[in-house]
Amino acid sequence: EVQLVESGGGLVQPGGSLRLSCTASGFTFDNYWVTWVRQSPGGGLEWVAIISPDGGEKFYADSVKGRFTISRDNAKNSLRLQMDSLRVEETAVYHCAREGYVGGFDYWGQGTLVTVSS
Amino acid sequence: QSALTQPPSVSGSPGQSVTISCTGTTGDIGSTDHVSWYRQPPGTAPKLMIYKVINRPSGVPDRFSGSKSGNTASLTISGLQAEDEADYYCSSLSGRVYVFGTGTNVAVL
Repeated sequence: EVQLVESGGGLVQPGGSLRLSCTASGFTFDNYWVTWVRQSPGGGLEWVAIISPDGGEKFYADSVKGRFTISRDNAKNSLRLQMDSLRVEETAVYHCAREGYVGGFDYWGQGTLVTVSS
Repeated sequence: QSALTQPPSVSGSPGQSVTISCTGTTGDIGSTDHVSWYRQPPGTAPKLMIYKVINRPSGVPDRFSGSKSGNTASLTISGLQAEDEADYYCSSLSGRVYVFGTGTNVAVL
């Protein structure tokens, strides 16, 4: 069974940093692109970043470019998101998801809540 | 990277059909077949319902169908059921960057 489990969320002050992790199981992790998607309370989905199977290609939403860094450790089946200079409006549930071979994000984690507040 | 435009809400009675539109630009929907649709009931993670405009993943009922014309994609739910009540989001690939729609709440009357 494919599973994605996020961790690392919590309360952080504006301007602070946080690192999220996503542990994958049930599939060959290093064969897939994986991504982060966030959802603010009561809001819609917002794509954040994506990384290639070998970690060599990374793409970001304009809103996080230069502040967030996506990375992966294929030996540990782990995806990470380093978030720096966090803003109040980035309070959200952060989901990791797998990009299917034929398109779309076919498996999602339940998400981890990040609260940016003083 | 502006969000794709969806109607805030649509509704229908059980058994009816509803269609959700998703309007983008020539830089996203208009230039790719990588358009997807997701269903998200309250408090749950999104679920992939349609990929590459018209394709349904295994297990998704054939009541769900997708289409695209120009810069607008659409999701049609036929034979509406109570379990279809949820938020629905479209998504498009633009280069190697994704953009989601603003989301549509489907209500079953």
